[in-house]
Amino acid sequence: GAGVSQSPRYKVAKRGQDVALRCDPISGHVSLFWYQQALGQGPEFLTYFQNEAQLDKSGLPSDRFFAERPEGSVSTLKIQRTQQEDSAVYLCASSLGRSSEKLFFGSGTQLSVL
Amino acid sequence: KNQVEQSPQSLIILEGKNCTLQCNYTVSPFSNLRWYKQDTGRGPVSLTIMTFSENTKSNGRYTATLDADTKQSSLHITASQLSDSASYICVVSSRRFGAGTRLTVKP
Repeated sequence: GAGVSQSPRYKVAKRGQDVALRCDPISGHVSLFWYQQALGQGPEFLTYFQNEAQLDKSGLPSDRFFAERPEGSVSTLKIQRTQQEDSAVYLCASSLGRSSEKLFFGSGTQLSVL
Repeated sequence: KNQVEQSPQSLIILEGKNCTLQCNYTVSPFSNLRWYKQDTGRGPVSLTIMTFSENTKSNGRYTATLDADTKQSSLHITASQLSDSASYICVVSSRRFGAGTRLTVKP
């Protein structure tokens, strides 16, 4: 596609449910990032992939958060046993080469945990 | 925890006026600094990138500066337009984001 695509655009979950958020990066982009953005705040880094390798997961807040990119393209961010504090916009970004290059962001998935 | 501090938190200016947004960082190691524009409900869009050796870079009405010694950057917007209303986020080394400056341009 022409840009980074994220789905769903909105997700409402009951506390304790598991959710899966999908990111389709720009075709051919090597690097892929996930960020969490709380209302009125800047994005917070969660994890980084270079192709299928997860090179940095230092930002994942707990072991309830898991991300994968098995074939080096589409990525999924999974949150198990969601809690209200997980409510945020989850942004995905990709870049053509190394992580230092310009990031192209998707529009995000807004997660609301009730 | 936040190693990127932006000021002001919010700013209201009249259409046609100039403004300057500030970014101070303590992130290490430093590879680059980018300014992004984020419209409400959208993902951030890159405006400009600064590397360690660059002091000034312009992109249309946007001019970014970087002082690597003092670890400060600024984004200057000239002749503001209504469409400039957005959050402007400073990002260091693709990992650390500032909280952003919310700019509102009024007619």
